[in-house]
Order: sequence, then C-alpha cells, then structure tokens
Amino acid sequence: GESVGLHLPTLSVQEGDNSIINCAYSNSASDYFIWYKQESGKGPQFIIDIRSNMDKRQGQRVTVLLNKTVKHLSLQIAATQPGDSAVYFCAESKAAGNKLTFGGGTRVLVKP
Amino acid sequence: DVKVTQSSRYLVKRTGEKVFLECVQDMDHENMFWYRQDPGLGLRLIYFSYDVKMKEKGDIPEGYSVSREKKERFSLILESASTNQTSMYLCASSSPRGTSTDTQYFGPGTRLTVL
Repeated sequence: GESVGLHLPTLSVQEGDNSIINCAYSNSASDYFIWYKQESGKGPQFIIDIRSNMDKRQGQRVTVLLNKTVKHLSLQIAATQPGDSAVYFCAESKAAGNKLTFGGGTRVLVKP
Repeated sequence: DVKVTQSSRYLVKRTGEKVFLECVQDMDHENMFWYRQDPGLGLRLIYFSYDVKMKEKGDIPEGYSVSREKKERFSLILESASTNQTSMYLCASSSPRGTSTDTQYFGPGTRLTVL
C-alpha cells in the first residue's frame, strides 16, 4: 500500500544548530501534510501543517517545505534546543477524508 | 486547549481477557481515532469514527472493535487479548475535514502489556 517514510531514523544535532528532518511520501493524491513531535511517554503533539497548494510554511522556529514534484516533505528547526529532543513524525492525508498515514518517525538527539 | 484523555496510562492484562480502552475529548470534535504504535512501525490506524454510532475500519482492525455511544467518548475493545496486542495505544480527535481544525489531536497513550 501507499506509505509515508523517512530517510533517517536518528539525527544528532548540536545545540544551537539547525535541524532538518526529511520525509518521502508516495501518494500523489495526498493534499495535506503534518509534522508531529512525540516526547518520551507522551502522545504526538502537532507542530505544523501544510496543504498541497503551498510549498513552504513557517511557524515559530520551524519551517515545513513541500516539494510535490519529488514527493518530499521536510521540517526545519532553527536553533535547535534540548527541548527539541523527541521523535518526529510526518503524516499525509488524501483529499477524500481525514485519515492520516504516518511515517515511521525520526529521533532527534540534541547534544549540549 | 484541546484535551484528549485516555483512561489508563499503563495496563497489564492476561491472554484471553477482554480489555476496554477509553478515550474522551472535550472539544466537541466529530472525528475520533484509535491507533497503535510499535517500534519501527510508526502509528497504524485501527478504527475511526466520524459520528456517534458510526465506525470505520482502519488499516489493522483485526482483533479489535470500537464503540461510540456519545460524541465525546470513543472506546477500543479487545475481545480476547493476545500477546501480539501488546503495544502503545493512542487516541486522537479532530473536527471534520475542511474546517479550520482538521488536525488530529492526540491523548497521552495507554501502554498495554498482555501476558
């Protein structure tokens, strides 16, 4: 079946540096994409979303980029902080409904 | 803030037991979802519901059933628990697609161990 995947399972980042987490999706019909952050022992927390009519969206210290040509999604975290250490999931949704398909997750470790 | 609560954070059951996992949301959301989360497999959708008394199978419904008698509450039922159902179970809710808040909001999860 169609799936959302991630290139890197673990990303180590120096505190203060920028982080980039990548995600590839396979369903060209998907029109809505979300990034979630999951800290240990907690449920996923919404970070930022983007619709397919956009290629970039910025939030507080985070930017999501969407490249529909190559079906690629990325999350950029500026000035990574220790509190950013978590597992990050991308998810996609098809046009017809509100179901999400999740990638396997990338663990981000912030080194002091 | 949206709040999704789950009845238990940790649960230990024996093989063959009937297990109920409860989820409540306080935002009057139409949609509710149950996922399981396993290492390396991400989140997989078990069942979802678009309205009271309505349910739809997700990607892995086998061995599970659900109940939605009230809008705010969505229950996941394991009729006869098995060891391969040991997992983290996550509930989520959202407004209908096309509204301003179609993002799914998650509860804290229930870690179920079946012995």
